Amino acid sequence: NAGVMQNPRHLVRRRGQEARLRCSPMKGHSHVYWYRQLPEEGLKFMVYLQKENIIDESGMPKERFSAEFPKEGPSILRIQQVVRGDSAAYFCASSPPERTKNGQYFGPGTRLLVL
Amino acid sequence: AQKITQTQPGMFVQEKEAVTLDCTYDTSDQSYGLFWYKQPSSGEMIFLIYQGSYDEQNATEGRYSLNFQKARKSANLVISASQLGDSAMYFCAMREGPWASGSRLTFGEGTQLTVNP
Repeated sequence: NAGVMQNPRHLVRRRGQEARLRCSPMKGHSHVYWYRQLPEEGLKFMVYLQKENIIDESGMPKERFSAEFPKEGPSILRIQQVVRGDSAAYFCASSPPERTKNGQYFGPGTRLLVL
Repeated sequence: AQKITQTQPGMFVQEKEAVTLDCTYDTSDQSYGLFWYKQPSSGEMIFLIYQGSYDEQNATEGRYSLNFQKARKSANLVISASQLGDSAMYFCAMREGPWASGSRLTFGEGTQLTVNP
């Protein structure tokens, strides 16, 4: 059973460009979470999605950031008009519908660098 | 107020010795869960151990054990017989509210553990 997959692993963008980060949850998992890790800090929750629904976006910046988890295909975290402060590691995690002791399963992360 | 506090930015331990990484938490919920994750220099997040607020016994997973003191709101990670490969950043995290697969995690700032040969 493949783990959570994220791509790209590394992404370089210039200020003002768009960044699209993809996350494929583990097979059978219908819950996806996005976290951001700024340099030298812990992970901060951004958004929680189920298929075709945003359940909790309380950690998302009000502007430029959006997320989706369509019925088919991966979850996408989209950052428009990137700025240097968006440089961070973005982690996706997934969990199944039922209770699981391990909580959330994390992907390897996407390292975004904004020049 | 910080929900998860890890007061040790860095810790050092000699190989084969035990080490305790501190974590205190703050919640008004009666039902919650506490997690520890390891982040090596390669960057991935590796789940280590879980403790539920209603679990009567401290959780153990191999060389990892969780010293859960509910009244003090602490959930310290104990690593026994440290190995060089244990050198990494360690994060404590909390899920608040009744168990549901759809609960966000709140992370501490992490402790950088270095194991010396």
